[in-house]
Amino acid sequence: SQTIHQWPATLVQPVGSPLSLECTVEGTSNPNLYWYRQAAGRGLQLLFYSVGIGQISSEVPQNLSASRPQDRQFILSSKKLLLSDSGFYLCAWSSTGTGGLPDEKLFFGSGTQLSVL
Amino acid sequence: KQEVTQIPAALSVPEGENLVLNCSFTDSAIYNLQWFRQDPGKGLTSLLLIQSSQREQTSGRLNASLDKSSGRSTLYIAASQPGDSATYLCAVVSPGGSYIPTFGRGTSLIVHP
Repeated sequence: SQTIHQWPATLVQPVGSPLSLECTVEGTSNPNLYWYRQAAGRGLQLLFYSVGIGQISSEVPQNLSASRPQDRQFILSSKKLLLSDSGFYLCAWSSTGTGGLPDEKLFFGSGTQLSVL
Repeated sequence: KQEVTQIPAALSVPEGENLVLNCSFTDSAIYNLQWFRQDPGKGLTSLLLIQSSQREQTSGRLNASLDKSSGRSTLYIAASQPGDSATYLCAVVSPGGSYIPTFGRGTSLIVHP
């Protein structure tokens, strides 16, 4: 069966510090991978998505970046955190069918609560 | 650009009631629609997925319907229980949106004993 691991669960970081959140998926190959952010009182905001190794699409211009060094590993990074980066970060994956289209459910990790102080 | 709206934003009901949560979308050319549940401080758990060719999906006390022509989906919860208390979100995948899921803001449900 497929599983998704996301860590850490909670993170408190000072403004200006770097960030690295990691997400790994097990039990599947060539998944579509996503990073979302959920701010208090707001909906889910798509930050990045990836359809393959080294293929990253950014939805929102900001001081965050993402990388996919391996097929089932997705990393969210920042060189210098801002107060506005605080929020609940969620990694997700979906399988792909013909032509790379998402043909099944979207599965989420347990999330990382990031507080930038 | 696909937009997804969920009404109501919050709902409080006594235990045992049958509920209907609504999800509407602006572009009827969808690929699929998925309903999720989110408990406070947790990730999203997939409940039901409806492909564009389907009209409904059922799982236990949950039934989701899809009417593409009117741009609507409903999640029906039968005989609600306090354990159903959570936020329910719908997400739409559309060809026009590069097949990226677009989420509504969710309906926060409280079922009180």
